[in-house]
Amino acid sequence: NAGVTQTPKFRVLKTGQSMTLLCAQDMNHEYMYWYRQDPGMGLRLIHYSVGEGTTAKGEVPDGYNVSRLKKQNFLLGLESAAPSQTSVYFCASGPYEQYFGPGTRLTVT
Amino acid sequence: AQSVTQPDIHITVSEGASLELRCNYSYGATPYLFWYVQSPGQGLQLLLKYFSGDTLVQGIKGFEAEFKRSQSSFNLRKPSVHWSDAAEYFCAVVARPNFGNEKLTFGTGTRLTIIP
Repeated sequence: NAGVTQTPKFRVLKTGQSMTLLCAQDMNHEYMYWYRQDPGMGLRLIHYSVGEGTTAKGEVPDGYNVSRLKKQNFLLGLESAAPSQTSVYFCASGPYEQYFGPGTRLTVT
Repeated sequence: AQSVTQPDIHITVSEGASLELRCNYSYGATPYLFWYVQSPGQGLQLLLKYFSGDTLVQGIKGFEAEFKRSQSSFNLRKPSVHWSDAAEYFCAVVARPNFGNEKLTFGTGTRLTIIP
Protein backbone atom coordinates (compact mmCIF):
# COMPACT_ATOMS: atom_id res chain seq x y z
CA ASN A 1 0.00 0.00 0.00
CA ALA A 2 1.98 2.98 -1.31
CA GLY A 3 -0.61 5.66 -0.43
CA VAL A 4 -0.09 8.72 -2.62
CA THR A 5 2.86 8.83 -5.01
CA GLN A 6 4.08 11.65 -7.22
CA THR A 7 6.39 11.73 -10.21
CA PRO A 8 8.79 13.30 -10.83
CA LYS A 9 10.36 14.37 -7.53
CA PHE A 10 12.40 17.19 -9.06
CA ARG A 11 12.27 19.06 -12.35
CA VAL A 12 13.87 22.11 -13.87
CA LEU A 13 12.10 23.79 -16.78
CA LYS A 14 12.87 26.74 -18.97
CA THR A 15 10.26 29.45 -19.37
CA GLY A 16 7.71 28.41 -21.97
CA GLN A 17 8.29 24.67 -21.68
CA SER A 18 5.51 22.30 -20.75
CA MET A 19 5.32 19.37 -18.39
CA THR A 20 2.91 17.03 -16.64
CA LEU A 21 3.03 15.99 -13.01
CA LEU A 22 1.52 12.63 -12.18
CA CYS A 23 -0.23 11.73 -8.95
CA ALA A 24 -1.39 8.23 -8.14
CA GLN A 25 -3.29 6.89 -5.11
CA ASP A 26 -4.15 3.33 -4.16
CA MET A 27 -6.70 4.07 -1.43
CA ASN A 28 -9.74 4.18 -3.72
CA HIS A 29 -10.45 7.79 -2.75
CA GLU A 30 -12.96 9.74 -4.79
CA TYR A 31 -11.42 13.12 -4.11
CA MET A 32 -7.98 14.24 -5.28
CA TYR A 33 -6.26 17.60 -5.00
CA TRP A 34 -3.26 19.54 -6.29
CA TYR A 35 -1.64 22.15 -4.07
CA ARG A 36 1.33 24.39 -4.37
CA GLN A 37 3.45 25.40 -1.40
CA ASP A 38 5.42 28.64 -1.31
CA PRO A 39 7.33 30.12 1.63
CA GLY A 40 5.10 32.01 4.03
CA MET A 41 1.92 31.19 2.13
CA GLY A 42 1.01 27.73 3.38
CA LEU A 43 -0.63 25.42 0.88
CA ARG A 44 -2.87 26.80 -1.82
CA LEU A 45 -5.30 24.69 -3.79
CA ILE A 46 -4.76 24.69 -7.55
CA HIS A 47 -7.38 22.23 -8.83
CA TYR A 48 -9.30 19.33 -7.41
CA SER A 49 -11.46 16.44 -8.51
CA VAL A 50 -14.47 14.89 -6.78
CA GLY A 51 -14.46 11.78 -8.94
CA GLU A 52 -13.27 10.17 -12.14
CA GLY A 53 -13.88 12.45 -15.11
CA THR A 54 -14.47 15.56 -12.98
CA THR A 55 -12.25 18.54 -12.24
CA ALA A 56 -12.78 21.92 -10.58
CA LYS A 57 -10.79 25.08 -9.99
CA GLY A 58 -9.26 25.88 -6.66
CA GLU A 59 -7.76 29.06 -5.31
CA VAL A 60 -4.90 29.52 -7.83
CA PRO A 61 -5.83 27.69 -11.07
CA ASP A 62 -4.38 30.06 -13.67
CA GLY A 63 -1.61 28.56 -15.79
CA TYR A 64 -2.49 24.96 -14.87
CA ASN A 65 -4.74 22.27 -16.30
CA VAL A 66 -5.73 18.93 -14.84
CA SER A 67 -7.26 15.66 -15.89
CA ARG A 68 -8.75 12.71 -14.01
CA LEU A 69 -9.25 9.99 -16.59
CA LYS A 70 -8.85 7.20 -14.05
CA LYS A 71 -9.96 7.23 -10.44
CA GLN A 72 -6.49 6.50 -9.12
CA ASN A 73 -4.64 9.14 -11.17
CA PHE A 74 -4.73 12.92 -11.20
CA LEU A 75 -2.51 14.80 -13.65
CA LEU A 76 -1.39 18.41 -13.37
CA GLY A 77 -0.18 20.12 -16.54
CA LEU A 78 1.74 23.28 -17.15
CA GLU A 79 1.34 24.27 -20.80
CA SER A 80 3.80 27.18 -20.80
CA ALA A 81 5.84 27.36 -17.63
CA ALA A 82 6.62 30.72 -16.01
CA PRO A 83 9.10 31.58 -13.24
CA SER A 84 6.12 32.34 -10.97
CA GLN A 85 5.30 28.63 -11.09
CA THR A 86 8.51 27.75 -9.29
CA SER A 87 7.17 25.96 -6.24
CA VAL A 88 6.74 22.66 -4.48
CA TYR A 89 3.66 20.81 -5.68
CA PHE A 90 1.74 18.37 -3.53
CA CYS A 91 -0.97 15.97 -4.47
CA ALA A 92 -3.47 14.68 -1.93
CA SER A 93 -6.46 12.38 -1.82
CA GLY A 94 -9.38 12.49 0.60
CA PRO A 95 -11.88 14.19 0.99
CA TYR A 96 -11.69 15.18 4.65
CA GLU A 97 -8.72 13.36 6.09
CA GLN A 98 -6.37 14.08 3.22
CA TYR A 99 -3.31 12.00 2.52
CA PHE A 100 -0.40 13.76 0.87
CA GLY A 101 2.27 12.68 -1.56
CA PRO A 102 5.96 13.49 -1.04
CA GLY A 103 5.92 16.49 -3.37
CA THR A 104 7.51 17.63 -6.61
CA ARG A 105 10.02 20.46 -6.49
CA LEU A 106 9.75 22.46 -9.72
CA THR A 107 12.09 25.25 -10.75
CA VAL A 108 11.32 27.39 -13.79
CA THR A 109 14.25 29.45 -15.08
CA ALA B 1 -15.20 32.32 3.13
CA GLN B 2 -13.54 30.16 5.71
CA SER B 3 -10.09 31.12 6.92
CA VAL B 4 -7.47 29.79 9.28
CA THR B 5 -5.02 31.86 11.30
CA GLN B 6 -1.85 30.61 12.87
CA PRO B 7 -0.53 33.69 14.65
CA ASP B 8 2.92 32.32 15.42
CA ILE B 9 5.22 32.06 12.42
CA HIS B 10 8.12 30.59 14.38
CA ILE B 11 8.35 29.11 17.87
CA THR B 12 11.48 27.94 19.69
CA VAL B 13 11.14 25.50 22.58
CA SER B 14 13.66 23.68 24.72
CA GLU B 15 13.70 19.91 24.51
CA GLY B 16 11.52 18.50 27.26
CA ALA B 17 9.44 21.66 27.60
CA SER B 18 5.74 21.84 26.86
CA LEU B 19 4.37 23.16 23.61
CA GLU B 20 1.23 24.92 22.47
CA LEU B 21 0.63 25.98 18.88
CA ARG B 22 -2.30 28.27 18.24
CA CYS B 23 -4.94 27.99 15.55
CA ASN B 24 -8.05 30.10 15.06
CA TYR B 25 -10.61 29.67 12.34
CA SER B 26 -13.33 31.78 10.89
CA TYR B 27 -16.38 29.98 9.66
CA GLY B 28 -20.13 30.18 10.08
CA ALA B 29 -20.48 26.69 11.50
CA THR B 30 -18.13 24.30 13.21
CA PRO B 31 -15.96 22.81 10.49
CA TYR B 32 -13.87 19.70 10.55
CA LEU B 33 -10.46 20.54 12.00
CA PHE B 34 -7.03 19.06 11.41
CA TRP B 35 -3.40 19.44 12.35
CA TYR B 36 -0.68 18.33 9.95
CA VAL B 37 3.08 18.14 10.39
CA GLN B 38 5.68 18.57 7.68
CA SER B 39 9.30 17.63 8.19
CA PRO B 40 11.87 19.30 5.90
CA GLY B 41 11.65 17.98 2.35
CA GLN B 42 8.65 15.80 3.15
CA GLY B 43 4.96 15.78 2.49
CA LEU B 44 2.33 16.51 5.12
CA GLN B 45 1.35 13.93 7.70
CA LEU B 46 -1.91 14.04 9.62
CA LEU B 47 -1.37 14.43 13.37
CA LEU B 48 -4.98 14.52 14.52
CA LYS B 49 -8.49 15.53 13.55
CA TYR B 50 -11.73 16.73 15.11
CA PHE B 51 -15.09 15.96 13.59
CA SER B 52 -17.43 15.95 16.60
CA GLY B 53 -17.76 14.67 20.15
CA ASP B 54 -15.06 14.98 22.79
CA THR B 55 -13.39 18.34 22.34
CA LEU B 56 -9.99 17.03 23.44
CA VAL B 57 -8.56 14.80 20.73
CA GLN B 58 -5.47 12.66 20.85
CA GLY B 59 -3.17 12.22 17.91
CA ILE B 60 0.02 10.51 16.93
CA LYS B 61 3.46 11.22 18.39
CA GLY B 62 2.00 12.29 21.74
CA PHE B 63 0.15 15.35 20.42
CA GLU B 64 -3.30 16.46 21.46
CA ALA B 65 -5.57 19.35 20.50
CA GLU B 66 -8.53 21.01 22.13
CA PHE B 67 -11.47 22.42 20.24
CA LYS B 68 -13.00 25.49 21.87
CA ARG B 69 -16.15 26.58 20.09
CA SER B 70 -16.48 29.85 22.01
CA GLN B 71 -13.00 30.91 20.92
CA SER B 72 -13.07 29.36 17.43
CA SER B 73 -9.77 27.75 18.30
CA PHE B 74 -8.12 24.39 17.87
CA ASN B 75 -4.75 24.62 19.63
CA LEU B 76 -2.18 21.86 19.42
CA ARG B 77 -0.30 20.76 22.55
CA LYS B 78 2.40 18.41 23.64
CA PRO B 79 3.52 18.00 27.26
CA SER B 80 7.20 17.36 26.49
CA VAL B 81 8.78 17.97 23.10
CA HIS B 82 11.52 15.88 21.56
CA TRP B 83 14.19 17.05 19.12
CA SER B 84 12.43 15.03 16.41
CA ASP B 85 9.37 17.29 16.75
CA ALA B 86 11.20 20.09 14.94
CA ALA B 87 9.09 20.64 11.83
CA GLU B 88 6.43 22.88 10.37
CA TYR B 89 2.89 22.51 11.65
CA PHE B 90 -0.24 23.37 9.73
CA CYS B 91 -3.77 23.78 10.98
CA ALA B 92 -6.51 23.14 8.43
CA VAL B 93 -10.29 23.27 8.25
CA VAL B 94 -12.89 21.95 5.86
CA ALA B 95 -16.60 22.64 5.70
CA ARG B 96 -18.82 19.84 6.86
CA PRO B 97 -20.22 17.68 4.05
CA ASN B 98 -21.12 20.01 1.26
CA PHE B 99 -21.33 17.60 -1.68
CA GLY B 100 -18.40 18.64 -3.77
CA ASN B 101 -17.08 21.55 -1.77
CA GLU B 102 -14.98 19.58 0.66
CA LYS B 103 -11.77 21.57 0.29
CA LEU B 104 -9.21 22.06 3.00
CA THR B 105 -8.17 25.58 3.92
CA PHE B 106 -4.73 25.72 5.49
CA GLY B 107 -3.12 28.16 7.84
CA THR B 108 0.26 29.56 6.85
CA GLY B 109 2.07 27.28 9.26
CA THR B 110 4.18 27.51 12.41
CA ARG B 111 7.81 26.48 12.25
CA LEU B 112 8.95 24.75 15.43
CA THR B 113 12.61 24.79 16.46
CA ILE B 114 13.82 22.65 19.35
CA ILE B 115 16.91 23.67 21.29
CA PRO B 116 18.89 21.25 23.49
